[in-house]
Amino acid sequence: ELKVEQNPLFLSMQEGKNYTIYCNYSTTSDRLYWYRQDPGKSLESLFVLLSNGAVKQEGRLMASLDTKARLSTLHITAAVHDLSATYFCAVDIQLNTGTASKLTFGTGTRLQVTL
Amino acid sequence: DTGVSQNPRHKITKRGQNVTFRCDPISEHNRLYWYRQTLGQGPEFLTYFQNEAQLEKSRLLSDRFSAERPKGSFSTLEIQRTEQGDSAMYLCASSLGQPATNEKLFFGSGTQLSVL
Repeated sequence: ELKVEQNPLFLSMQEGKNYTIYCNYSTTSDRLYWYRQDPGKSLESLFVLLSNGAVKQEGRLMASLDTKARLSTLHITAAVHDLSATYFCAVDIQLNTGTASKLTFGTGTRLQVTL
Repeated sequence: DTGVSQNPRHKITKRGQNVTFRCDPISEHNRLYWYRQTLGQGPEFLTYFQNEAQLEKSRLLSDRFSAERPKGSFSTLEIQRTEQGDSAMYLCASSLGQPATNEKLFFGSGTQLSVL
């Protein structure tokens, strides 16, 4: 059974600081996603990482994937209050029916950026 | 098109009652997924449709749960004889059905179910 672990589960950081969220998973996967979720809101797709060594950046967030280590990281640079949310990584195991996705999510990292 | 739409946003019911949720995916998306999210956890896969065909069901989906997508457009998820353990956020997602490298899921805002 695929297991996806994130750490830390909760992160309180000051504005302007840098930090990294880690996502470890237990089996080979084709794709890894990062999502953001605000309280009571939907999941917003941040990044899709498709291959070993993939790195993607958007604003203050940068995600990377090491398929050999089965590890993805989400790095936050110079955090701002607007980044406060819960961040999930999700590992994609293709369904038997072909290329459809079946995501296994981590438990999430609740990020709180304080002023 | 404003994305994946789910109704109702909130549902409070008494134990033993039946409830039905609706999901309207993005119009051109042929794949539709249902996930369940409990407090403090990540979403868990429940079931998946390719057009009107239900092709995969998780073992989390007990006999009390049934999902349909009759015309390959909107989908309904029904829970019969609800139990307190069914209380959760039920999320719907859709995708275009691109080749594997381009598959991207778009999630709705969810239906929050509370079973008293």
